[in-house]
Amino acid sequence: QQQVKQSPQSLIVQKGGISIINCAYENTAFDYFPWYQQFPGKGPALLIAIRPDVSEKKEGRFTISFNKSAKQFSLHIMDSQPGDSATYFCAASLMNYGGSQGNLIFGKGTKLSVKP
Amino acid sequence: NAGVTQTPKFRILKIGQSMTLQCAQDMNHNYMYWYRQDPGMGLKLIYYSVGAGITDKGEVPNGYNVSRSTTEDFPLRLELAAPSQTSVYFCASQLRDRGRNTGELFFGEGSRLTVL
Repeated sequence: QQQVKQSPQSLIVQKGGISIINCAYENTAFDYFPWYQQFPGKGPALLIAIRPDVSEKKEGRFTISFNKSAKQFSLHIMDSQPGDSATYFCAASLMNYGGSQGNLIFGKGTKLSVKP
Repeated sequence: NAGVTQTPKFRILKIGQSMTLQCAQDMNHNYMYWYRQDPGMGLKLIYYSVGAGITDKGEVPNGYNVSRSTTEDFPLRLELAAPSQTSVYFCASQLRDRGRNTGELFFGEGSRLTVL
């Protein structure tokens, strides 16, 4: 019930292409779905997040698509650039709960390489 | 603001030695976390704290201890280091407070530990 499954584990995309990373969750009560970006040697940093009351959120070249009925959400990176090469983590949580119930559950990560 | 600061960045330990990873945040966040990151395994929660004086186990607490005597500091202690504790450790903080909860975790840059 608490898992977040992320795919693919690694992804190679040509410069200018679209990168798509998918995540599936089990707990229908989750109400906060962020994506974190991690560059080599750095800590993860919040990239974009969505709440389940909308089906899509866009910030620049990054878009989250959310399908509540399928319990899936995905990150789309349009016009992918070599500077986007990083590891991406999806996550889910019960945003307004205290203690362990509100802790983020992370996917295992996707290593994205954008080739010039 | 420095954000979340971790020390040391790198450390090599011999089997059986003990050490403490330091973490400090200057954002007055109530929640703090310790994660370990192993290749292809994502971020696994070791311990977390909801505030000064209160800590709780995460997914992989064995072999570790924590304390939270102040809001700012959350050290992680490794007792009797084992090769299985070779990993990259990340400290994170979060403001989780009804009405002010953004959901965002702020990570430090990590501490790379090798146990030989």
